[in-house]
Amino acid sequence: GQNIDQPTEMTATEGAIVQINCTYQTSGFNGLFWYQQHAGEAPTFLSYNVLDGLEEKGRFSSFLSRSKGYSYLLLKELQMKDSASYLCAVRSYNTGRRALTFGSGTRLQVQP
Amino acid sequence: SAVISQKPSRDICQRGTSLTIQCQVDSQVTMMFWYRQQPGQSLTLIATANQGSEATYESGFVIDKFPISRPNLTFSTLTVSNMSPEDSSIYLCSVEESRDTYYEQYFGPGTRLTVT
Repeated sequence: GQNIDQPTEMTATEGAIVQINCTYQTSGFNGLFWYQQHAGEAPTFLSYNVLDGLEEKGRFSSFLSRSKGYSYLLLKELQMKDSASYLCAVRSYNTGRRALTFGSGTRLQVQP
Repeated sequence: SAVISQKPSRDICQRGTSLTIQCQVDSQVTMMFWYRQQPGQSLTLIATANQGSEATYESGFVIDKFPISRPNLTFSTLTVSNMSPEDSSIYLCSVEESRDTYYEQYFGPGTRLTVT
């Protein structure tokens, strides 16, 4: 099976930088996704990593280390609107499907 | 990216009844997925629905409880049968689109179901 761990909650200050970690255990790794989900809304795609390294997209960056089964999402210049849940999700060849397995999500609270 | 709509957006149902949720996509997609998100929890895959074949269900989910239809490449339905309060959840339809090197998944707005 697959196991995905991420912190339950984090708090950060507006304008600061926050790093949300995700560790996973899976065989046949085929990509890691980060989604943002505001309360009462559907998840929206943030980033995708399949090779080791850093992917940067504006204020958001995502890092992957396949050998360590580790990823993080980095949010810079935090804004109040970044308060949301951030979901780490993994796709695995071994499941024989292209659907995603999600972690429990990290609820980020940005404070003034 | 694909635009996904779901009907109904929310409903309150009595136990023992059934509800059919519709998912409409504005473009043709091969693979559609149905997820469930119980209160305060993350997303759990119910089944994968490909057009022209039977849906593939995940462990813990069975066709009798969650029958799925996929009549064409833009539409799917999920029925929650013989509902109980434990079925209270948000049900999300998802599709994938091909990018250069990977498949990206998009989610519909969800159907918030409350079973009393």
